Amino acid sequence: DTEVTQTPKHLVMGMTNKKSLKCEQHMGHRAMYWYKQKAKKPPELMFVYSYEKLSINESVPSRFSPECPNSSLLNLHLHALQPEDSALYLCASSQEAGGSGYTFGSGTRLTVV
Amino acid sequence: GIQVEQSPPDLILQEGANSTLRCNFSDSVNNLQWFHQNPWGQLINLFYIPSGTKQNGRLSATTVATERYSLLYISSSQTTDSGVYFCAVERIYNQGGKLIFGQGTELSVKP
Repeated sequence: DTEVTQTPKHLVMGMTNKKSLKCEQHMGHRAMYWYKQKAKKPPELMFVYSYEKLSINESVPSRFSPECPNSSLLNLHLHALQPEDSALYLCASSQEAGGSGYTFGSGTRLTVV
Repeated sequence: GIQVEQSPPDLILQEGANSTLRCNFSDSVNNLQWFHQNPWGQLINLFYIPSGTKQNGRLSATTVATERYSLLYISSSQTTDSGVYFCAVERIYNQGGKLIFGQGTELSVKP
């Protein structure tokens, strides 16, 4: 298995809702990442998990809450989002946190209404 | 922080033409990757190429780390090559690695 799987593919949520994005990989990678991509822009790093521990938080607002339950799973919990948070959310993994290639999932396209 | 610049920002080609995309970066890096993002948003890894030259079918890439640039060559372009091509470089910190993207080159191949 050489894929990173993200669910759901599309999500529409209200500003008072709570939802979660899920990411799964079975390549034995020990580093996992969340990126956010706005239209016509490159992906921007949000969080890095290394060996199931949060190692980098790029000053992301607390309405985004990451979780790594085990080495294969990565979640992003969403609460009280704003319309400007609408974007493509991409999950990625790499063998180690640094020095190896990244594999990206197909993303969750999020719309906040 | 490290700057990653890609050129050209946009490129329109006739099917069958060749092209070269360039990526310049401002500091030494641990790793460099080229990605193709299709219209559905999927980022497809083309090359993991911190240095040297690699080829995969009609695509090839060269990274000259000492001069801080990388090139992606597309030969005999096809309409399915359309999309955005990103160069991304990685810096490693105590806490882990950060993959930093350039602004991308949007390629449109016309039949």
